[in-house]
Amino acid sequence: EDQVTQSPEALRLQEGESSSLNCSYTVSGLRGLFWYRQDPGKGPEFLFTLYSAGEEKEKERLKATLTKKESFLHITAPKPEDSATYLCAVQTGKLIFGQGTTLQVKP
Amino acid sequence: DAGVTQSPTHLIKTRGQQVTLRCSPKSGHDTVSWYQQALGQGPQFIFQYYEEEERQRGNFPDRFSGHQFPNYSSELNVNALLLGDSALYLCASSLPRDRGRVGKNIQYFGAGTRLSVL
Repeated sequence: EDQVTQSPEALRLQEGESSSLNCSYTVSGLRGLFWYRQDPGKGPEFLFTLYSAGEEKEKERLKATLTKKESFLHITAPKPEDSATYLCAVQTGKLIFGQGTTLQVKP
Repeated sequence: DAGVTQSPTHLIKTRGQQVTLRCSPKSGHDTVSWYQQALGQGPQFIFQYYEEEERQRGNFPDRFSGHQFPNYSSELNVNALLLGDSALYLCASSLPRDRGRVGKNIQYFGAGTRLSVL
């Protein structure tokens, strides 16, 4: 069965304290891996898409990487405005989401 | 350029009632997908519409049905509402399928409709 697992479920960081979020997946026929950011009461906002192992994408303080079994979202020197839930999803013809990691960055 | 728009924003219904949620895709997009997101969980795929037909379906009962119109907008209908149907319902749209390059269809989400069933 296709499955996506994110860890940790929640993460608290001090402003400037770098860390990584993990997304592990077990799917057949991976067509792409997606990272989204979701603020409370809003829809997911697209961040990155990765298609092959070894691929990396960067945007401001965020960097996403992909291996054959997992993806990491690295957050460098986070700011309070980076606080949100980060969702990972794999595409196998449809999007299968993990449960998300809720990040809180304290000033 | 308007993004994905959904209506209504919030909705309160009672058990056994029926509800219709609406979605207008991003300009230029022709594929619409619907998701259910329970509190504290990731979105769960309900179904996807393309060329006015249901193309894929997740593990949801037949009480969940949909429709896509010629202008690519879509509706999600839920019959015989249960308390467990309370959730945020998300619509996502994507670009026309590029059949030679699968997996390139990024889905863009609307803000969702918050449904509460009492």
